[in-house]
Amino acid sequence: AQSVTQPDIHITVSEGASLELRCNYSYGATPYLFWYVQSPGQGLQLLLKYFSGDTLVQGIKGFEAEFKRSQSSFNLRKPSVHWSDAAEYFCAVGAFGDMRFGAGTRLTVKP
Amino acid sequence: NAGVTQTPKFQVLKTGQSMTLQCAQDMNHNSMYWYRQDPGMGLRLIYYSASEGTTDKGEVPNGYNVSRLNKREFSLRLESAAPSQTSVYFCASSEATGNNQPQHFGDGTRLSIL
Repeated sequence: AQSVTQPDIHITVSEGASLELRCNYSYGATPYLFWYVQSPGQGLQLLLKYFSGDTLVQGIKGFEAEFKRSQSSFNLRKPSVHWSDAAEYFCAVGAFGDMRFGAGTRLTVKP
Repeated sequence: NAGVTQTPKFQVLKTGQSMTLQCAQDMNHNSMYWYRQDPGMGLRLIYYSASEGTTDKGEVPNGYNVSRLNKREFSLRLESAAPSQTSVYFCASSEATGNNQPQHFGDGTRLSIL
């Protein structure tokens, strides 16, 4: 069965620093991959998605993610973090008509 | 810009009580979903409805029932609430089911079972 692993439960970065959130998936073929962000008390908002083609995808709010088939990874990156990026981030894989979410990575941004 | 609307936002129940969580979307989406979110476990699919008139079990359906009332509305019912059902419940919708369909989420219902 497909699964998603986000190895980092909590990450703290300084404002202005770069960010990389890790996501590894388990699936037999090329999956459909998503990153969502959840602010406190809110639902999930789609940041970006990968279906096929160019392995570097751009999303909203200055985020990007790179699909690496050889590593079964889909890591999320941002060159310069803003205080408003503090939130919880979820990686998800869509396969077999089902969507599986990782457990999430909580991002804290230090001033 | 309502999107997906869930009611209520908060609820406290006693063990054994029943409760229906309501969800409505105004995006003319065909597919709707109910998830529960528990600490350290991400979101887990309870039930989904691919289209009006159909419902299917997800990963954790036990203890829940759903009704797709019409294209807009998808409700989740707890017939006899248990403390293990304390969670945050999210409704979502998408244009269609399928691996490549991003989902749009409501703000959640925080449910506590005492």
